[in-house]
Amino acid sequence: EVQLVDSGGGLVQPGGSLRLSCAASGFTFSNYAMSWVRQAPGKGLEWVSAISDSGVGTYYADSVKGRFTISRDNSKNTLSLQMNSLRAEDTAIYYCAKSGVVVITLDYWGRGTLLTVSS
Amino acid sequence: QSVLTQPPSASGTPGQRVTISCSGSSSNIGSNTVNWYQQLPGTAPKLLIYSNNKRPSGVPDRFSGSKSGTSASLAISGLQSEDEADYYCAAWDDSLNGGVFGGGTKLTVL
Repeated sequence: EVQLVDSGGGLVQPGGSLRLSCAASGFTFSNYAMSWVRQAPGKGLEWVSAISDSGVGTYYADSVKGRFTISRDNSKNTLSLQMNSLRAEDTAIYYCAKSGVVVITLDYWGRGTLLTVSS
Repeated sequence: QSVLTQPPSASGTPGQRVTISCSGSSSNIGSNTVNWYQQLPGTAPKLLIYSNNKRPSGVPDRFSGSKSGTSASLAISGLQSEDEADYYCAAWDDSLNGGVFGGGTKLTVL
């Protein structure tokens, strides 16, 4: 059974940093691209970032480019999102998701982890 | 403002057929496949339709997807109360070199 357990959310002050993690199991992690998608309170889904199966290719939404870094450790079946220079508008539930046939076909999702950026 | 445009709301009565539209451009829907996600209240999104019109295992055939040019549609037939949820379309955008979602459509079963 595919499982994605996202963690690392919390309360951070504006300008601060945080690292989210996603532990994957139940599939061959190194064979699939992975993504982070976020949802601000009461708002819709926003694609944040994706990483290729090997980790060589990385992709970012303009809203986070230069501030967030996606990475993966295929030996530990772990996906990460390093978030720097955090802003109030980054407040959201962050979901990690596994890609299927193409990067944006997200066939399995974690339960999400809440990031709140506030002073 | 979302790159993909969806109506904010839709509604229908049990048993009815409802369609939700998703409008994009040549750089996203026009050149890539469309996926649809269902998000029930308080839960993570779930893949409903992929590659324009394919259903993952376990998704009822009441749900169907189509694409024409730079637009796509999700159709739900035999509407049931448990279909009340938010629905999102998504595609890859070649110009942005990233994924894009629609703003979401809240479906109400009257």
